[in-house]
Amino acid sequence: GAGVSQSPSNKVTEKGKDVELRCDPISGHTALYWYRQSLGQGLEFLIYFQGNSAPDKSGLPSDRFSAERTGGSVSTLTIQRTQQEDSAVYLCASSLFDGGGSEQYFGPGTRLTVT
Amino acid sequence: AQKITQTQPGMFVQEKEAVTLDCTYDTSDPSYGLFWYKQPSSGEMIFLIYQGSYDQQNATEGRYSLNFQKARKSANLVISASQLGDSAMYFCAMRESIRTGANSKLTFGKGITLSVRP
Repeated sequence: GAGVSQSPSNKVTEKGKDVELRCDPISGHTALYWYRQSLGQGLEFLIYFQGNSAPDKSGLPSDRFSAERTGGSVSTLTIQRTQQEDSAVYLCASSLFDGGGSEQYFGPGTRLTVT
Repeated sequence: AQKITQTQPGMFVQEKEAVTLDCTYDTSDPSYGLFWYKQPSSGEMIFLIYQGSYDQQNATEGRYSLNFQKARKSANLVISASQLGDSAMYFCAMRESIRTGANSKLTFGKGITLSVRP
């Protein structure tokens, strides 16, 4: 079956512009996660969705970052007024359920470059 | 304090030999799970193996096994019979509060680069 998909695969934007990153989880997966991977910081958790609600937003680095999920499926991560330090690979993951050893399946990521 | 520590900066192994990738963790939660993921140069994160803190036996999954030493808080990944395709970055990760479900996120280590030599 289809895995987690993300779009765009690459995004170059100018500092100060807003960007939207999209994630399509595996069908039927109720839990969805956003992480970011950068050279200096490794892999960092951003936000977690269970259905359409976000019980854990603790990893969002600033109020410029927001995310939503609709219909228990697609999620969009929005970064407003992008800064150069936002440059990273943004990874989305989904899991069948939330709990225990339920592994998270990752998408290919969106590489964001802020110039 | 770091929750997941992977101190080996880069590892080399000869094809067909076994290799151990180290991971130590820090938590006061009695209920946690440990995961290993592989990230090849293409960038995708591939789940390899899982060990729960209450599991009585070490996890195994094909050529992958997890040497889980709870008292030492280590969860080393053992790859047997290395293949050229095993060359990748390997990440150890932890989820806490797995029984209550209060915490769903994964906390990752910095990763270890493994290179398999022919």
